[in-house]
Amino acid sequence: AQTVTQSQPEMSVQEAETVTLSCTYDTSESDYYLFWYKQPPSRQMILVIRQEAYKQQNATENRFSVNFQKAAKSFSLKISDSQLGDAAMYFCAYRSSYSMEYGNKLVFGAGTILRVKS
Amino acid sequence: EAGVTQFPSHSVIEKGQTVTLRCDPISGHDNLYWYRRVMGKEIKFLLHFVKESKQDESGMPNNRFLAERTGGTYSTLKVQPAELEDSGVYFCASSRGFEKLFFGSGTQLSVL
Repeated sequence: AQTVTQSQPEMSVQEAETVTLSCTYDTSESDYYLFWYKQPPSRQMILVIRQEAYKQQNATENRFSVNFQKAAKSFSLKISDSQLGDAAMYFCAYRSSYSMEYGNKLVFGAGTILRVKS
Repeated sequence: EAGVTQFPSHSVIEKGQTVTLRCDPISGHDNLYWYRRVMGKEIKFLLHFVKESKQDESGMPNNRFLAERTGGTYSTLKVQPAELEDSGVYFCASSRGFEKLFFGSGTQLSVL
């Protein structure tokens, strides 16, 4: 079974600075998807970024980028120019590529609380 | 388009009582998922509907939990009787196919 580990329960960053959230995972599959979700106080889960394992290029979405190291099974999220609105719980998640069998069944980590200081 | 809607937003019940959570997916989304997060732990998959059929219910913790999706539209998740360890946030999510998953804001369940 796949597992996702987020070893940082809480992180802090100064506004306008850069912060990196860590995520490691374990799987025997060669093809899969990885995600970072943001959960603000409203509890609405928002997709931040998605990475397909067969793509070597790291995904980027504006100020958010990932460092995907497939051999090391590591998938960290870098937030540049941090803003107050980035404060939230961040979840790393894994999904098998075998959609017909697993659908959108995600395996989540325990989450990292990100605090942004002004 | 309207998002995934869940209600109630919060529910506080006593141990042994029954609670029913409801999820309205985005219109046209055949796939509906239930997840839950027990305090401080991972968000865990409970089950997956494709239209009105249960595709995968491997995450359902025990037979006190009953999920239905009559007519393939909204879904309910009933907990009967509720136990203390059932406290947590219950999320519903939907998708048209197997691409982007849209989440609701969850129901915070507190069992006292």
